[in-house]
This record gives sequence, structure tokens and C-alpha cells, in this order.
Amino acid sequence: KNEVEQSPQNLTAQEGEFITINCSYSVGISALHWLQQHPGGGIVSLFMLSSGKKKHGRLIATINIQEKHSSLHITASHPRDSAVYICAVKGWGGNTDKLIFGTGTRLQVFP
Amino acid sequence: EPEVTQTPSHQVTQMGQEVILRCVPISNHLYFYWYRQILGQKVEFLVSFYNNEISEKSEIFDDQFSVERPDGSNFTLKIRSTKLEDSAMYFCASGISGGETDTQYFGPGTRLTVL
Repeated sequence: KNEVEQSPQNLTAQEGEFITINCSYSVGISALHWLQQHPGGGIVSLFMLSSGKKKHGRLIATINIQEKHSSLHITASHPRDSAVYICAVKGWGGNTDKLIFGTGTRLQVFP
Repeated sequence: EPEVTQTPSHQVTQMGQEVILRCVPISNHLYFYWYRQILGQKVEFLVSFYNNEISEKSEIFDDQFSVERPDGSNFTLKIRSTKLEDSAMYFCASGISGGETDTQYFGPGTRLTVL
């Protein structure tokens, strides 16, 4: 079983729609990251969360530590938001600082 | 804005050859990482490096792999004798403190193709 699960795996939307991508994890974590991977392969860090909620432009990320769940929301989606969105967690305790990645959610936004 | 860079962007090699993938982390960062992503699969951790030594490595990072920070700016990943299954995108990342809430900044990746 994967330690980090994302849903849905694929998502299509019309421009302007509100998008939600979910991430569940089964390990204790110190932080959760949302990353964006462009078609060319490059990875950009969007958010790092350890509690609550963060907002950046049209992107909102929330985390519920008790439920081991995080969501990434995109308001007023645009074709340029088309990418793979990846959830990754950093484990709690010890000296680990590696990230454990989910399989990603492929988002396509059509005009 | 400072960024992590990687060279080459694409490397093609024959099975059994040695390859060196190069990364230049952000200049004031102290923690360095290599990850890989086999086509169609999730990103996987390979190794983390701090204070000129490996701090953590995964099962994937066997004796065929090594990392080095030869000159204080470059961070390299060497694969001694490449196998077909080493074909993947390799990402370098760096972070300031490596702490629990440290953000890791990723390079654009090197696509390695082993023939």
C-alpha cells in the first residue's frame, strides 16, 4: 500500500471551474508539500504545510492532521493550470528529511 | 530568483557506461537531494547529503550510485555501470536547513536514457 495516496488520478475541467485534488497519507508527518510538475518534467514547489491552510493567488491548500488528509484547491481554473499536481510528505521523527511522493493527479483544463 | 540548475538536460548512454549528472544547488543551501522518476511512475527518493556526507539513502541507492560535492558549488550523482532500468528523470533538490518545515527547491531534471 502506498504511504501517500492521491485522488483523482486524472481530472479534466472547463476553464473557470473550481478544482479539488485530495491527498491522504498513512504515516506520521512533520510537513506536507504540494508540487506542480509541468509537461516538460520540471517540478515547482507550491506549498509546504504543517497545519491549517495556505493561500497563494488562486491556489489554496488545507491540511487536517488528525484525519491525515490534505486538499489542494484551484479557483477559477485556467488552461495554464494544466499539469500534474503531486502531494509529498516529510516523515516525522528521526533524522529523515526525505520526501515521500504520491503518484500525482494529472489535471487538464480546457478553454 | 535563485534556482537549482542541472546539466545535461538529456543524457543518452549505453548500458554499462558510467554517467555523471550534475547539479548546482542554490548558493546558501546546505542540504542536497537526488530523486528519480521512472516514466509513468511516482518520484522516488534516492539520497540526501549534508556536511559532505550522505545523511540518508534509499534501497535504490546501491553501490552503483555515488554522490559528491567536489568544489563547493556542484553536487553530482554518478552511476558507475548503467542498467536499462536506470532510465529515468533525475531531479536534484536543495534546501536551506533540512528541518521539518524546510522547503526543497527542485532543479529541472536530467532525463537519462540507457540503451
